[in-house]
Amino acid sequence: AQRVTQPEKLLSVFKGAPVELKCNYSYSGSPELFWYVQYSRQRLQLLLRHISRESIKGFTADLNKGETSFHLKKPFAQEEDSAMYYCAIRSGTYKYIFGTGTRLKVLA
Amino acid sequence: NAGVTQTPKFHILKTGQSMTLQCAQDMNHGYMSWYRQDPGMGLRLIYYSAAAGTTDKEVPNGYNVSRLNTEDFPLRLVSAAPSQTSVYLCASSPRGPANTGELFFGEGSRLTVL
Repeated sequence: AQRVTQPEKLLSVFKGAPVELKCNYSYSGSPELFWYVQYSRQRLQLLLRHISRESIKGFTADLNKGETSFHLKKPFAQEEDSAMYYCAIRSGTYKYIFGTGTRLKVLA
Repeated sequence: NAGVTQTPKFHILKTGQSMTLQCAQDMNHGYMSWYRQDPGMGLRLIYYSAAAGTTDKEVPNGYNVSRLNTEDFPLRLVSAAPSQTSVYLCASSPRGPANTGELFFGEGSRLTVL
């Protein structure tokens, strides 16, 4: 079955500490993965996609097909990074499967 | 561009009542979809539409949609149940070469069924 797993519901880190939000997937085929973020009182928005191999707001994510993972990383967390993060996989042309989300709290 | 607009933002209704959540987008996107967002459950796809005139459902019962034009994709709760208490998110994306995989979301409609 196609599935996206985010094992942590809540992740708390101190400002300046490294952050890693875990995402594992199960998908038969060539996966296309995304990270979405929802800041407080804002709509859900795309943070980054694996195809672009870009760094957005200091975050990066590398697709590891061997471990079927797409972990989101940032070397130095900032308070404004506090938000809800969802990992998602594209299943078919217009369908997406989302993980259960991880709430990141960056403590001062 | 307003993007994806959802109304109402909040609503309370009683078990058995019907309700329509509105979703409109002004980006000429062909693809539209509805998700429900529940704590600990993430986002779950309810219905999607690849173009005006077509719809496909992901969950068996309790919801209905229509896609009469490109802009609008209303979601109807036929006979509301407490299990349908949730935040409902509408999303859109363009078809064809313009599609980068990004979904554009509305602000959500928080629905409580008593």
